[in-house]
Amino acid sequence: QVQLQESGPGLVKPSQTLSLTCTVSGGSVISGGYHWSWVRQHPGKGLEWIGYIYYSGNTDYTPSLKGRVAISLDTSKNQFSLKLTSVTAADTAVYYCASGGGPLTVWGQGTLVTVSS
Amino acid sequence: DIVMTQSPLSLPVTPGESASISCRSSQSLLHGSGYNYLDWYLQKPGQSPQLLIYMGSTRASGVPDRFSGSGSGRDFTLRISRVQTEDVGVYYCMQALQTPLTFGQGTKVEIK
Repeated sequence: QVQLQESGPGLVKPSQTLSLTCTVSGGSVISGGYHWSWVRQHPGKGLEWIGYIYYSGNTDYTPSLKGRVAISLDTSKNQFSLKLTSVTAADTAVYYCASGGGPLTVWGQGTLVTVSS
Repeated sequence: DIVMTQSPLSLPVTPGESASISCRSSQSLLHGSGYNYLDWYLQKPGQSPQLLIYMGSTRASGVPDRFSGSGSGRDFTLRISRVQTEDVGVYYCMQALQTPLTFGQGTKVEIK
């Protein structure tokens, strides 16, 4: 059974870059047919899909974040990562990594990222 | 983007009774393969979301059979028979037919 764990800074200053990593255990990020997703949840709100990366390295992102977001794979560490540039307070949220591109079969526990000076 | 609309947004339930949540999409989720690209998730208090149902009606591994999904095209229903106290939380539908993947607003199920 695949397990996912997010890691990264819990506090990021406005205009800086948010960087998170998701470590995959119990499976390989280059397993055929798998997408690896990022989803966020603003405080007290619903779920917002950010984007995903295919095991081949192809990516797709939600239009509202295109230009600021990048998802990448690190096959040597069995991880995938999220970078979000030029953050503002509106990017404060719990960030989840998940396996799959629909359905999202396994989720990490989530990590709260606060954007504040 | 495909817009997902759930109802009701709040659902008080009595343990042992059944409950239903509706999800409507702004366009059909029926793929040419014959599958509906509609998933259901439950986010229990303080936890991350978990997959309950995928492809409209297939229960995920380990999901009790009191959870069932139905519907096709634009209209879908999640039914919980014999609600238990552990079923409280927020239920989300999500369309996976096209990117961006989009979620419904969520339905909060609580015990009366």
